[in-house]
Amino acid sequence: DAGVTQSPTHLIKTRGQHVTLRCSPISGHKSVSWYQQVLGQGPQFIFQYYEKEERGRGNFPDRFSARQFPNYSSELNVNALLLGDSALYLCASSLGPNQETQYFGPGTRLLVL
Amino acid sequence: GESVGLHLPTLSVQEGDNSIINCAYSNSASDYFIWYKQESGKGPQFIIDIRSNMDKRQGQRVTVLLNKTVKHLSLQIAATQPGDSAVYFCAENVNRDDKIIFGKGTRLHILP
Repeated sequence: DAGVTQSPTHLIKTRGQHVTLRCSPISGHKSVSWYQQVLGQGPQFIFQYYEKEERGRGNFPDRFSARQFPNYSSELNVNALLLGDSALYLCASSLGPNQETQYFGPGTRLLVL
Repeated sequence: GESVGLHLPTLSVQEGDNSIINCAYSNSASDYFIWYKQESGKGPQFIIDIRSNMDKRQGQRVTVLLNKTVKHLSLQIAATQPGDSAVYFCAENVNRDDKIIFGKGTRLHILP
């Protein structure tokens, strides 16, 4: 069975640019969550989407946005990139939103120069 | 600050011995706890979870213990193998809330 997939695997951007990261959940999973993991730290929650609706938002600026599509895949968008946005961006999928096991993808490593 | 943390950032264990990774949490409202394993260059991998109505749960070679009185969580790995080398994160969730809060992680080194 295919797990959570993310694209691209690596990305290099410059300050001020925007980026779109993509995630495909495990088949049958309807909830997608996004996390940012800075080197040496645990993942930090950004968003959760369920049935195309935003269910939760972490402490991130409005430059971060996301959406979920009818096929339950998701995009994370970050505008006006800052050096501090350099991180591993992880997507996790689960059957539903409430305390269902979240399964993570391999992540997209973003470097902002 | 984060409500989930770990006592030791690095743990070295002899191959074949048992490993115990500890975690403290501060949010008494947390009622769901998860352990993840993250190998270099990969996303976190689910290991085991436990809900607050339990104090122990066992999986294959792993056991999670929850002590709600002192807000402490531990992961025990039996007969540690080289493939267990990774960073281990405990994470918590509060029902009615959709986010999982991760701790900083413990790096497990396996000595030959």
